Amino acid sequence: RKEVEQDPGPFNVPEGATVAFNCTYSNSASQSFFWYRQDCRKEPKLLMSVYSSGNEDGRFTAQLNRASQYISLLIRDSKLSDSATYLCVVNKTPFWVRGNEKLTFGTGTRLTIIP
Amino acid sequence: NAGVTQTPKFQVLKTGQSMTLQCAQDMNHEYMSWYRQDPGMGLRLIHYSVGAGITDQGEVPNGYNVSRSTTEDFPLRLLSAAPSQTSVYFCASRGAGTPNSPLHFGNGTRLTVT
Repeated sequence: RKEVEQDPGPFNVPEGATVAFNCTYSNSASQSFFWYRQDCRKEPKLLMSVYSSGNEDGRFTAQLNRASQYISLLIRDSKLSDSATYLCVVNKTPFWVRGNEKLTFGTGTRLTIIP
Repeated sequence: NAGVTQTPKFQVLKTGQSMTLQCAQDMNHEYMSWYRQDPGMGLRLIHYSVGAGITDQGEVPNGYNVSRSTTEDFPLRLLSAAPSQTSVYFCASRGAGTPNSPLHFGNGTRLTVT
């Protein structure tokens, strides 16, 4: 089983719709969680961190379910500019430990917003 | 704001050649790392550094060397290129502040080994 698993998609969603994707992780000791966004042929960029209580940033909502070991990303009122690949990232190392940036990346979920 | 700068953007090598991918950051970040990205594999960590003079291996270190003589620079050396090293390479850095401080990536280097 992969450490971090995502549905690769593609998700083709009409503009204005709500879309959600999940990401499961295998290591119950995982400490921190992130969603990154990667546009075609570009570098990944942080979309949002995922906090235990869930968090929202505009149209984006991230949730963490430690019991079931998954995180989710919800995008409301989707825009054409949301078309990208969304990477789930998990860190199982406490930040004070050397080598904290041993992040594990999922393979990404490709999202296309259709006009 | 330059952020993380990688050079070159593209490179074609023949099997057995060596080369160095350059990475520099101007954010005074302690942590720097190199990833490779292959279709269906996600980003995989090659080597990383927690500060000048300190480097360590990641998930896929074989065939690559790194050094960190300054805080700013973290070059990746391919010792003897192989077709399996055809990939997109990303350098990234982050500060040592909060646990959720983001990775800042360079623009990437597309390497083809023939």
